[in-house]
Amino acid sequence: DTGVSQDPRHKITKRGQNVTFRCDPISEHNRLYWYRQTLGQGPEFLTYFQNEAQLEKSRLLSDRFSAERPKGSFSTLEIQRTEQGDSAMYLCASSLGGGADAFFGQGTRLTVV
Amino acid sequence: AQTVTQSQPEMSVQEAETVTLSCTYDTSESDYYLFWYKQPPSRQMILVIRQEAYKQQNATENRFSVNFQKAAKSFSLKISDSQLGDAAMYFCAYRSGRGSGAGSYQLTFGKGTKLSVIP
Repeated sequence: DTGVSQDPRHKITKRGQNVTFRCDPISEHNRLYWYRQTLGQGPEFLTYFQNEAQLEKSRLLSDRFSAERPKGSFSTLEIQRTEQGDSAMYLCASSLGGGADAFFGQGTRLTVV
Repeated sequence: AQTVTQSQPEMSVQEAETVTLSCTYDTSESDYYLFWYKQPPSRQMILVIRQEAYKQQNATENRFSVNFQKAAKSFSLKISDSQLGDAAMYFCAYRSGRGSGAGSYQLTFGKGTKLSVIP
């Protein structure tokens, strides 16, 4: 097992374009989290999946953001009509069970120009 | 809502010396966990150490130890015999012991402390 994998590592996009990121959690982990980390800040929670169900969303997750986890395996995070304020590192984490430790991927760094 | 505060944006330490990173938090819960995560440049966030709030004994992992002061809501990280590989951003994080109503156990992070190790 190679841990949590995120793709791409870096993405540069023009304002107004749509982007999609992928996260592959550790294979047996049923819980998956997305976080956003802006410069000089700690990661902030965006959304949470238990298996394929998206059970919680932060108020940070505007309607331009959508996340899916089909079949409870990998997850995608899509941002529509990107804005410069979306520039950030997007981190994915997974865990086995509710109270288990979370393992993080390396993140996808998004730059909107 | 829980908050986590790291008041030291940057710290430096001489190689082989000891350094302490500070963290305070605010919560009304009695069941929770505290963590220190390490984020090296361009690399993934790694769990350094975990402390359960119900445990009085401070957690220790090799050269890393914490000073958990529950009443003061303080949770500092001590790194002994600092090594060049310890240079990274360090984040203090809080997690509820009961999770949210939806079963989420998301982490609440501080802003981080950038640790530099001087050879």
